[in-house]
Amino acid sequence: DQQVKQNSPSLSVQEGRISILNCDYTNSMFDYFLWYKKYPAEGPTFLISISSIKDKNEDGRFTVFLNKSAKHLSLHIVPSQPGDSAVYFCAASGSTNAGKSTFGDGTTLTVKP
Amino acid sequence: DARVTQTPRHKVTEMGQEVTMRCQPILGHNTVFWYRQTMMQGLELLAYFRNRAPLDDSGMPKDRFSAEMPDATLATLKIQPSEPRDSAVYFCASGKGALNSNQPQHFGDGTRLSIL
Repeated sequence: DQQVKQNSPSLSVQEGRISILNCDYTNSMFDYFLWYKKYPAEGPTFLISISSIKDKNEDGRFTVFLNKSAKHLSLHIVPSQPGDSAVYFCAASGSTNAGKSTFGDGTTLTVKP
Repeated sequence: DARVTQTPRHKVTEMGQEVTMRCQPILGHNTVFWYRQTMMQGLELLAYFRNRAPLDDSGMPKDRFSAEMPDATLATLKIQPSEPRDSAVYFCASGKGALNSNQPQHFGDGTRLSIL
């Protein structure tokens, strides 16, 4: 049973528009959520996170929204840039599991010039 | 910026051979994770360590895989004997924090393994 799901394998948007990447989770013990970005032939890099005590966290062009009742989070990128084209992984962890994160399968974002 | 270093970056070998992948975590980080990524899947956790002690290796096939941390600057993942289905990219990541701390992980660039 996959506890973190990213149902859209890919997303294509025009430069300057908003990109919205979605993630759903099933484990109610998760209380910390992270987004990582991965370029080809490189490892994932941390992008932004949110704790379950918040419903929004913003960092520049990146905003993560958390809906605990729906067990859903989303990453908004505004405005999208061609350099944002990458695979985005959603990850979740619980405060009782020693920093271990469960990852989704990733969404490939393509931003067209 | 400090980085997690993984060696080798690429490995091609024949079925049945032993494969050893190495990881140097970021200095000062006390947690180390091994992940596997196949073509169709996300990041699958194989094992992780805290303060060099194995905490969870339930994601790892025990009969052929082993993970160790001989010292704080080196983590190893071994496959013996290797099989074609082991072909994947193996990532190492490190992090820091207390037992219940939520901290981002820092990933290496992976070892791309091909078993013929």
